[in-house]
Amino acid sequence: SYELTQPPSVSVSPGQTASLTCSGDQLGDKFVCWYHQRPGQSPVLLIYQDQKRPSGIPERFSGSNSGDTATLTISGTQALDEGVYYCQTWDSATDVVFGGGTKVTVL
Amino acid sequence: EVQLVESGGGLGQPGGSLRLSCAASGFIFSTSEMNWVRQTPEKGLEWVAYINRGGDNIYYADSVKGRFTISRDNAKNSLYLQMNSLRAEDTAIYYCASGTNYFDFWGQGTLVTVSS
Repeated sequence: SYELTQPPSVSVSPGQTASLTCSGDQLGDKFVCWYHQRPGQSPVLLIYQDQKRPSGIPERFSGSNSGDTATLTISGTQALDEGVYYCQTWDSATDVVFGGGTKVTVL
Repeated sequence: EVQLVESGGGLGQPGGSLRLSCAASGFIFSTSEMNWVRQTPEKGLEWVAYINRGGDNIYYADSVKGRFTISRDNAKNSLYLQMNSLRAEDTAIYYCASGTNYFDFWGQGTLVTVSS
């Protein structure tokens, strides 16, 4: 079965840039999306189709996908960006697959 | 404002059944593909089932195939998940979520616990 690998945790200082990675075999050939989940809340879609932002998502969230790695970049990180970030992909062979999530701490 | 409100969770017996519901509002439900996604601390997020707008195209995760049934009633703006032959590993928060291939709106979730 297809797997997506995310680092368990990332720490970032307020105002700095955080880069979260998501790795999978030839992931660049698939579309990737990203979600943010705060404790006790539902996931929120941040990025879809590698780099598109839904209405209402700040421009400081951006995405890219190439080779075996997709990256979510958070520019000017704020305290409210803390939480767990999940990547997700799909195709006809793998159905929907989620990564294990990266916990972001803003120190 | 888009709202998805799940209900029907609770304690289920191993081998028993539960039926989850999801009430949708704030968007045209009948034109939206819908899904159930579950979450546990151990396994994280797991897609469970998908249903298209008309309810005639349905997919399931292998882990629930043959035991769970997804359905919808567009007249009632509602999504359902009939869960039979429950197992301990079905214990999770169950979310309904709209979208195809990615999930643009999620409900608040309903907790299902399978235990004797």
